[in-house]
Amino acid sequence: GAGVSQTPSNKVTEKGKYVELRCDPISGHTALYWYRQSLGQGPEFLIYFQGTGAADDSGLPNDRFFAVRPEGSVSTLKIQRTERGDSAVYLCASSISGGSTDTQYFGPGTRLTVL
Amino acid sequence: DQQVKQNSPSLSVQEGRISILNCDYTNSMFDYFLWYKKYPAEGPTFLISISSIKDKNEDGRFTVFLNKSAKHLSLHIVPSQPGDSAVYFCAASGSYQLTFGKGTKLSVIP
Repeated sequence: GAGVSQTPSNKVTEKGKYVELRCDPISGHTALYWYRQSLGQGPEFLIYFQGTGAADDSGLPNDRFFAVRPEGSVSTLKIQRTERGDSAVYLCASSISGGSTDTQYFGPGTRLTVL
Repeated sequence: DQQVKQNSPSLSVQEGRISILNCDYTNSMFDYFLWYKKYPAEGPTFLISISSIKDKNEDGRFTVFLNKSAKHLSLHIVPSQPGDSAVYFCAASGSYQLTFGKGTKLSVIP
């Protein structure tokens, strides 16, 4: 079956602009996660959705970052007033139910570059 | 503070030999551990996992060992193949959130 897909694969924007990153999880997976990977680092947790609701957004760095999942499937990560420090690869993952022993399956990521 | 550490940024191994990648963790609440493999410009791909109630899990050429008392796990790949060349991430879970190490770049030399 189809894996996790993310669009766009690359996004270049100017400082101060608004961006939206999209994630399409594996069909039937109720849990969805966003991570951010900076150069030379492992992925870092941003937010976790269980169904339509954000169960944990404690990893979002500040209030410029927001994510939605209105119908419990596709999710959009929104970044307002982008800064150069937001440049990173944004990874989306999904799992069947969100349990602690669920395997999370990752998408290819969106590489965001803020000039 | 880093809760999951991969102290070797890189490792080179001859084709056919064993590759051993190491990972240490500090949080006693972690009860599930995973290894992911990542090629450039791709997302992490799940490789193998182990629950804290086990000390070994095997899947083909890949074996993960867990030493809970030492808070240490390792991934063994035998025999290593050139296609195994990638960055390997160790990840730990105590709930739904994965905590990753910084990765180890494995190069398998033909």
